[in-house]
Amino acid sequence: LAKTTQPISMDSYEGQEVNITCSHNNIATNDYITWYQQFPSQGPRFIIQGYKTKVTNEVASLFIPADRKSSTLSLPRVSLSDTAVYYCLVGGPNTGNQFYFGTGTSLTVIP
Amino acid sequence: EAGVTQFPSHSVIEKGQTVTLRCDPISGHDNLYWYRRVMGKEIKFLLHFVKESKQDESGMPNNRFLAERTGGTYSTLKVQPAELEDSGVYFCASRGGLYEKLFFGSGTQLSVL
Repeated sequence: LAKTTQPISMDSYEGQEVNITCSHNNIATNDYITWYQQFPSQGPRFIIQGYKTKVTNEVASLFIPADRKSSTLSLPRVSLSDTAVYYCLVGGPNTGNQFYFGTGTSLTVIP
Repeated sequence: EAGVTQFPSHSVIEKGQTVTLRCDPISGHDNLYWYRRVMGKEIKFLLHFVKESKQDESGMPNNRFLAERTGGTYSTLKVQPAELEDSGVYFCASRGGLYEKLFFGSGTQLSVL
């Protein structure tokens, strides 16, 4: 089971770019990396997923170096509504899909 | 499309009572998961269904917890008898294929008094 390590909390001002890095040293060959966002009283919500290099969608970018032992979620120009907990999950069919949530990163966006 | 639905959203019961949580996954999703967060701790995996079969139940804490998914549609998670340490938020998630993203429900907040 691939464990992940993230900063417990981060603060950012509105309009800034936020980068959250996740370490996953024991990632397996068939594992992929997924980031989720969670607001209070809600379930986690999918943000982005990738296997290697860079992935971009309408809300975020995901950077994965060649060794895949870490990944960085990049949120461009954050707003107050981006205040949430962000989880990095690593897993795949060969690791039983037991995603390890870890502590997540609590992001607070400041006006 | 409808999301993952969990019922009830909140449940308050006394120690020793029985509670049944229900999860309706997104239609067509064969893979259904239960997770929970107990007070102050991390979200942890409980079990994984593929259709009506339990693929992995290694996260179930003890035999007071029973999960079912009859017919491969909705799932129930029964706690009997409930203990104080069972209090927390129980999340259900579903997805189609194993490389597809997980869709989570809003969770059931269980309080055992």
